Amino acid sequence: EAGVAQSPRYKIIEKRQSVAFWCNPISGHATLYWYQQILGQGPKLLIQFQNNGVVDDSQLPKDRFSAERLKGVDSTLKIQPAKLEDSAVYLCASSSDRDRGGANVLTFGAGSRLTVL
Amino acid sequence: GNSVTQMEGPVTLSEEAFLTINCTYTATGYPSLFWYVQYPGEGLQLLLKATKADDKGSNKGFEATYRKETTSFHLEKGSVQVSDSAVYFCALILSGTYKYIFGTGTRLKVLA
Repeated sequence: EAGVAQSPRYKIIEKRQSVAFWCNPISGHATLYWYQQILGQGPKLLIQFQNNGVVDDSQLPKDRFSAERLKGVDSTLKIQPAKLEDSAVYLCASSSDRDRGGANVLTFGAGSRLTVL
Repeated sequence: GNSVTQMEGPVTLSEEAFLTINCTYTATGYPSLFWYVQYPGEGLQLLLKATKADDKGSNKGFEATYRKETTSFHLEKGSVQVSDSAVYFCALILSGTYKYIFGTGTRLKVLA
């Protein structure tokens, strides 16, 4: 099966500019996650979707970050305006809901590396 | 609160050495436990998992046993290779949820 696709792989912007990341999960996976991974740290959950509804966005900085998942498939994550501390890798992951609450394995994309100057 | 603690890196070993990366957790209920690996320039990928106490997960020569009494899930490999150089993340998922909690990662460097 095809993996989780993300684009762009790399993006360099100046602070106060905007950026958008796109994710296409594995076909049929109901749950989609966006994580932020700062260099040297573990992934931090930004937002979790179940189909096209938001399950958890408690750690999403809503004054500048937004995300949507249209028709329960593709998702976009937007940052506007960007700050220096947003420099990180943005990882998208998806999972099937058939292993509810158990060994629910995440499949990650390669990530989108953002550098804010 | 719920958390995962892993040993700090980097861990530097010679090829064919024995590897242990420690991981302990704090969680309510009965979490499932995972090790994910991240090779340079790639996203994380599942290495192994265990869903209940005393389960042993294994893959590619790596093993980890779910120890409820010590709340640990240490990763071991008997003989590492240069190709095992990567960052290893311990993680848990809370029972009845899809909420993952990751450790901070341990970088492994294997020298030829």
